[in-house]
Amino acid sequence: EAGVAQSPRYKIIEKRQSVAFWCNPISGHATLYWYQQILGQGPKLLIQFQNNGVVDDSQLPKDRFSAERLKGVDSTLKIQPAKLEDSAVYLCASSQEVEQYFGPGTRLTVT
Amino acid sequence: AQSVTQPDIHITVSEGASLELRCNYSYGATPYLFWYVQSPGQGLQLLLKYFSGDTLVQGIKGFEAEFKRSQSSFNLRKPSVHWSDAAEYFCAVGPWAQGAQKLVFGQGTRLTINP
Repeated sequence: EAGVAQSPRYKIIEKRQSVAFWCNPISGHATLYWYQQILGQGPKLLIQFQNNGVVDDSQLPKDRFSAERLKGVDSTLKIQPAKLEDSAVYLCASSQEVEQYFGPGTRLTVT
Repeated sequence: AQSVTQPDIHITVSEGASLELRCNYSYGATPYLFWYVQSPGQGLQLLLKYFSGDTLVQGIKGFEAEFKRSQSSFNLRKPSVHWSDAAEYFCAVGPWAQGAQKLVFGQGTRLTINP
C-alpha cells in the first residue's frame, strides 16, 4: 500500500513570495489533514478535510493560507505572501478511521 | 481545551538500558491517546494507541504504554533500547469519537542513544 505522498520535499523562498504544497493521500482515505510543525514543537493542525469539505480550519491563518481538496483526493496548501515565521515543516496526513498516516513533509524555509 | 505536556525535551540513555518517556494530558472526557515517532527527515509513525480496555497497551518495535487516568498520564516504555530508537517521540490526544480525529500533540521528546 502506497503511503501519503508530498511534494516538494524542500522549498526555500523569500518573504512576501508565494508557495504551494501538494499532498496525495492514501487511496480510499476520506479524511485529510495539514499540520504545521515548527522546529522544536509538535505538529499543529491547520486544516482538516472530510472528502472535499472542510471540517476544521480554526487554526488556519486565513489572511495568507489557503487549502483545497478538489474531488476529495489530492490537496494543495498555499501561502501567499509568506512570512519569516512560516518557516516550518508542513505535514500532510490521511485517515480512514482513527489512525492518521503521515507523509514525509515539506520543509519550508522563508528568508 | 485539550493539551499535552511532555516534560522532558531531551533524554539520553545507553543502548540496552530501559526507557520511559513521560506524557501528561488535559482533557475533559475520555480521550484517545497516541504515541508517534519521527525520525530525521521523516513523517510521523504511529507506535501505539489507547482508547479503551486494558490500560497497558503494546505497540510496534517493542514499545508499550500505560494509561493512568488518576494521574492523567500515558507514559511510553521500552525495556531495552536499540541505537535505531534514536528519534523524536510525540504524545498526542484526541477526542473519544468515531471516525476522524483532531489530534493535539505535545512538544516532543528527543531521544539520544549512547553506544
